[in-house]
Amino acid sequence: AQTVTQSQPEMSVQEAETVTLSCTYDTSESDYYLFWYKQPPSRQMILVIRQEAYKQQNATENRFSVNFQKAAKSFSLKISDSQLGDAAMYFCASGGSNYKLTFGKGTLLTVNP
Amino acid sequence: GAVVSQHPSWVICKSGTSVKIECRSLDFQATTMFWYRQFPKQSLMLMATSNEGSKATYEQGVEKDKFLINHASLTLSTLTVTSAHPEDSSFYICSARDPAGLETQYFGPGTRLLVL
Repeated sequence: AQTVTQSQPEMSVQEAETVTLSCTYDTSESDYYLFWYKQPPSRQMILVIRQEAYKQQNATENRFSVNFQKAAKSFSLKISDSQLGDAAMYFCASGGSNYKLTFGKGTLLTVNP
Repeated sequence: GAVVSQHPSWVICKSGTSVKIECRSLDFQATTMFWYRQFPKQSLMLMATSNEGSKATYEQGVEKDKFLINHASLTLSTLTVTSAHPEDSSFYICSARDPAGLETQYFGPGTRLLVL
């Protein structure tokens, strides 16, 4: 079984600043994947970034990067140069051999102009 | 990235009727699709896993006779809410697993169901 915990129900950041969203997980699988999805007010789930657990190098996608600490089972998302369009609910998720995703409860990010 | 469509985006129906929601992978073949339900300000709750050519696998507590799932082709899965009641009103989201995409699930835009 897998569990994903997002301890920050809400976060806010000033436009152009950097913010980090926290996520911890637990899994019994040796081979797994981690994801961050974004859900804006339209409610369309959008993939932000993904990380294969067997890779030590942290994934990056433009302004989005992760800090993957495998031993600590931590997978935080850093958003640099925050933009108004980054405002959304962010979900951390883990996936394993059965292809199912386990989601955290989400962090609502507000970007202040 | 991979595109998943969902239809309809909005549906209102009377209590006791059935509603069918379609989920299509537009630019890849998806042997596995998933159906989720999301209540306001909550996370996604997995309802079932839809496998092409075989029976769906339902999560604990999800009524298989209530939520009928059919995955007849590699690009189409359908969810039918049978004899809908007001408590079935929710936001339903499908996703499709892209086997060439590092086990990534791509999501449809969701369907808002309101049962009167």
